[in-house]
Amino acid sequence: AQSVTQLGSHVSVSEGALVLLRCNYSSSVPPYLFWYVQYPNQGLQLLLKYTTGATLVKGINGFEAEFKKSETSFHLTKPSAHMSDAAEYFCAVTESGGNQFYFGTGTSLTVIP
Amino acid sequence: NAGVTQTPKFRILKIGQSMTLQCAQDMNHNYMYWYRQDPGMGLKLIYYSVGAGITDKGEVPNGYNVSRSTTEDFPLRLELAAPSQTSVYFCASSTYTDTQYFGPGTRLTVL
Repeated sequence: AQSVTQLGSHVSVSEGALVLLRCNYSSSVPPYLFWYVQYPNQGLQLLLKYTTGATLVKGINGFEAEFKKSETSFHLTKPSAHMSDAAEYFCAVTESGGNQFYFGTGTSLTVIP
Repeated sequence: NAGVTQTPKFRILKIGQSMTLQCAQDMNHNYMYWYRQDPGMGLKLIYYSVGAGITDKGEVPNGYNVSRSTTEDFPLRLELAAPSQTSVYFCASSTYTDTQYFGPGTRLTVL
């Protein structure tokens, strides 16, 4: 079975500081990995995804994530936080040929002016 | 394209009542999903469908039913509402095992 662990349910950073949101997964087969963002009272939107190929993937709004197979991790980073980045972030995993997605419990990002 | 649409946006039910949450997508996606989101719990999969006429249970299917008669529509039925079903419900669709597109959600309260 697959599972996703997001360390830190709440993360606070100062505006302009580095954003690092952690995601670890378990999967018995090569995973497909996703980061989604959810703004208040809205549905989830895709930030970025890893399926195959380059392990460093870039997404929207300056976010990027690196797939590290040896560490079973897919951490999300952004060099400089902006106030508009305040939201809930979810990591998700599935597998090629699989039918189900498994989501982490989410990390709420607060950006302090 | 409207993407994924959900109705209603909000609903209050009394215990024991029934209702159907509607979900439609206009992207010709084969895969459709229903999730519930509870505070601090992330998203839990209720049911999913890989095409018209094909549905399967997810992680938390008890108390719910689904049908998929067309590619576009994937309604979720609550037969006997219970307070434990108070949640925000999201419908999503995708092409095979790829990016999911989410609807805006339905906020359901059962009193």
